[in-house]
Amino acid sequence: GAVVSQHPSWVICKSGTSVKIECRSLDFQATTMFWYRQFPKQSLMLMATSNEGSKATYEQGVEKDKFLINHASLTLSTLTVTSAHPEDSSFYICSASALLAGGLNEQFFGPGTRLTVL
Amino acid sequence: GQQVMQIPQYQHVQEGEDFTTYCNSSTTLSNIQWYKQRPGGHPVFLIQLVKSGEVKKQKRLTFQFGEAKKNSSLHITATQTTDVGTYFCAAGNTGGFKTIFGAGTRLFVKA
Repeated sequence: GAVVSQHPSWVICKSGTSVKIECRSLDFQATTMFWYRQFPKQSLMLMATSNEGSKATYEQGVEKDKFLINHASLTLSTLTVTSAHPEDSSFYICSASALLAGGLNEQFFGPGTRLTVL
Repeated sequence: GQQVMQIPQYQHVQEGEDFTTYCNSSTTLSNIQWYKQRPGGHPVFLIQLVKSGEVKKQKRLTFQFGEAKKNSSLHITATQTTDVGTYFCAAGNTGGFKTIFGAGTRLFVKA
């Protein structure tokens, strides 16, 4: 099946630093990738939709200047949390969209990145 | 914006009992997807329903999409300890992009 990787799997950083998270589709090309954040025992909240070669579409309430998204190729999207603060500590998950036979669209999720900001 | 309500928030069952989680939307959905997330893991795609009144089965799991395409359910027959996790429904718009997740139902199974 389709595999999506995420790197790093966890990161601890000091407040004020920036952190970059990579999301890769390993065996398929994904024109669309999604970034979610998930707080403990809560649902996934969509942050932004990342389209290859164009600007990301951010959900309401998500600061685009704080969460920079770059989708430089069909297999790679990056999320940079700029000037991170403790309230940014969360589990960040990416997913890549693949169009299957029959026209159904399926999302494949990466393993997630746990960010802790001290 | 589009919202998806999911109930119950959590459920404790004895192994062998059945389990059902429900998903509702105030608007008509183009499709609905179901995911399972094991503790400490990431969401894993289970199924996508597209047609009004659609019913699909995967072994002990039965998925339904309402006639009005505003609600869906996931039913597990004779739960096993391996069924433990959080089950999310997710509503997709046309083409299946931009998926909005429900709050999830945490299933606890006691052996």
